Amino acid sequence: AQTVTQSQPEMSVQEAETVTLSCTYDTSESDYYLFWYKQPPSRQMILVIRQEAYKQQNATENRFSVNFQKAAKSFSLKISDSQLGDAAMYFCAYRSEQTSGSRLTFGEGTQLTVNP
Amino acid sequence: GAVVSQHPSRVICKSGTSVKIECRSLDFQATTMFWYRQFPKKSLMLMATSNEGSKATYEQGVEKDKFLINHASLTLSTLTVTSAHPEDSSFYICSARALAGVPWDTQYFGPGTRLTVL
Repeated sequence: AQTVTQSQPEMSVQEAETVTLSCTYDTSESDYYLFWYKQPPSRQMILVIRQEAYKQQNATENRFSVNFQKAAKSFSLKISDSQLGDAAMYFCAYRSEQTSGSRLTFGEGTQLTVNP
Repeated sequence: GAVVSQHPSRVICKSGTSVKIECRSLDFQATTMFWYRQFPKKSLMLMATSNEGSKATYEQGVEKDKFLINHASLTLSTLTVTSAHPEDSSFYICSARALAGVPWDTQYFGPGTRLTVL
């Protein structure tokens, strides 16, 4: 079974600074997707960014980018120019394309605080 | 695009009653919908996966007779918590995987339903 590990339960960053959230995963598959979701205090899960494992190029969405290291099974999220609205719980998630349908396996989350 | 709604957002009920939660994909059709449970400051725990027109697949340890799931159309899934007890109090979240249109291989989440059983 696949597992997703987020080793940082909490992180903090100063407004306008850059922060990187870590995520590692364990799988024997070669075809899969990785996601970062954000859950603000409203508890609405919001998709931040997604990465297809077959793509070598790292995904980027405005201030959010990932560092996808397939061999190391690492998928970190970098938030540039942090804003107060970025404060949230961030979940890394894995989805297999070979087994278990389209279910997501989530990490335990990283609580990000943005300090003004 | 890719909006998923849940109703109700909050519900308080007495022990022993049943509660139905609706999950709708508003602007796309969903082949598959998922139901999660989330405890405070914890990750999402998948309860079951439902495909339109077929029986839901429950995760190990989830009582299918207590958590009834129906996926009657490509835009609607319901979760009924039967004979609810205080230990069923939690935050329930649904998600939907799009058939086409919006990025189709991504799960979109509803805003969640807070259930409190007295």
